[in-house]
Amino acid sequence: SQTIHQWPATLVQPVGSPLSLECTVEGTSNPNLYWYRQAAGRGLQLLFYSVGIGQISSEVPQNLSASRPQDRQFILSSKKLLLSDSGFYLCAFSLVHTEAFFGQGTRLTVV
Amino acid sequence: SQQGEEDPQALSIQEGENATMNCSYKTSINNLQWYRQNSGRGLVHLILIRSNEREKHSGRLRVTLDTSKKSSSLLITASRAADTASYFCATDGTGAGSYQLTFGKGTKLSVIP
Repeated sequence: SQTIHQWPATLVQPVGSPLSLECTVEGTSNPNLYWYRQAAGRGLQLLFYSVGIGQISSEVPQNLSASRPQDRQFILSSKKLLLSDSGFYLCAFSLVHTEAFFGQGTRLTVV
Repeated sequence: SQQGEEDPQALSIQEGENATMNCSYKTSINNLQWYRQNSGRGLVHLILIRSNEREKHSGRLRVTLDTSKKSSSLLITASRAADTASYFCATDGTGAGSYQLTFGKGTKLSVIP
């Protein structure tokens, strides 16, 4: 069956430190992959999506970057975190024009 | 990029009542989906309706889609306290935007026992 793993669940990082959040998918090949950010009590903001290895589309210019080194691995990174990077980050995958499956999310607090 | 917009932003009802949430979007879509999110968790897919469909049912859920008005509604019948959650609509576009899955801001539903 198709599953998605996202870690860590919570993370507290100081301003200026680097960030690496990882997401892996099992049970399917060539998924579309997504990173979203959700501010408290708000909707989901699409940050990046990828339709294949090395293919990353950015929706919002910001302090973050994404990479897809393997077919089922999607990484969200930052070289230097800002306070405004705090939020709830969600990774998801889908096949073309089908439902999306979400990870459990990472609560990032930048202090 | 296009985005669904749900309304109302918040809805409070008594257990057993029906809950209706609406979603509007801006451009052509392949399909529209509804998701549920319990506080602090990931989203769970509820139902997908394709652009050539007008209505779809799944258990206590009923979704309608009006592509001429670019709107959809989600009806939850005979609500239960366990239905308390945030509900989001999501759309994927056509053409170059077809891989983007964009979400609205959600409707926060509270079902009072």
